[in-house]
Amino acid sequence: QVQLQQWGAGLLKPSETLSLTCAVYGGSFNGYYWTWIRQSPGKGLEWIGEIYHSGSANYNPSLKSRVAISRDTSKNQVSLKLSSMAAADTAVYFCARGRQLEHFDYWGQGTLVTVSS
Amino acid sequence: DIQMTQSPSSLSASVGDRVTISCQASLDISIYLNWYQQKPGKAPKLLISDASNLETGVPSRFSGSGSETDFTFTITSLQPEDFATYYCQQYHNLPITFGQGTRLEIK
Repeated sequence: QVQLQQWGAGLLKPSETLSLTCAVYGGSFNGYYWTWIRQSPGKGLEWIGEIYHSGSANYNPSLKSRVAISRDTSKNQVSLKLSSMAAADTAVYFCARGRQLEHFDYWGQGTLVTVSS
Repeated sequence: DIQMTQSPSSLSASVGDRVTISCQASLDISIYLNWYQQKPGKAPKLLISDASNLETGVPSRFSGSGSETDFTFTITSLQPEDFATYYCQQYHNLPITFGQGTRLEIK
């Protein structure tokens, strides 16, 4: 059974960098798009970006200047970094597996990230 | 970006009812559309992919249809566990975009 377990700091100050990691257990890392999605009351579900097992990545243009997604195939882990965090970035952040492009069939448990001074 | 517009934004129904949710895309997305169910405090769950393909293990009372810009999600004979929020999602173009959600509540 595939499981995604994510972790990272949940409380940040404005201008700090968010760092989250998602570990994949029980399934192949290859052949999928590993994705970060966030959810806030004001903006609903927002796709942040994705990385293929090969390392090629795509980002939401609205966040592209601040976001970096990387992967460690030796550990089956995917990481998200989002710089210059602001209150508007407060949200629950999810990692997800994209099957056949972007069918998100497995998700992490979500991490509530709050940005406050 | 492709805008996904769901209607209604909320819906009250009773156990046993049939409900339909609409999703409209701002551009032709062929059948590149998925439907998700989300319960409070949980991650979304993929129910239907490619507009009409039921995911393994998802009850047959759930169905989807449509193509190009207009899509429909239907639940026949609502069960208590179906009260949740439902989202459509397009994957025809990047960035991936979601509808704003339809909250299905118990009448």
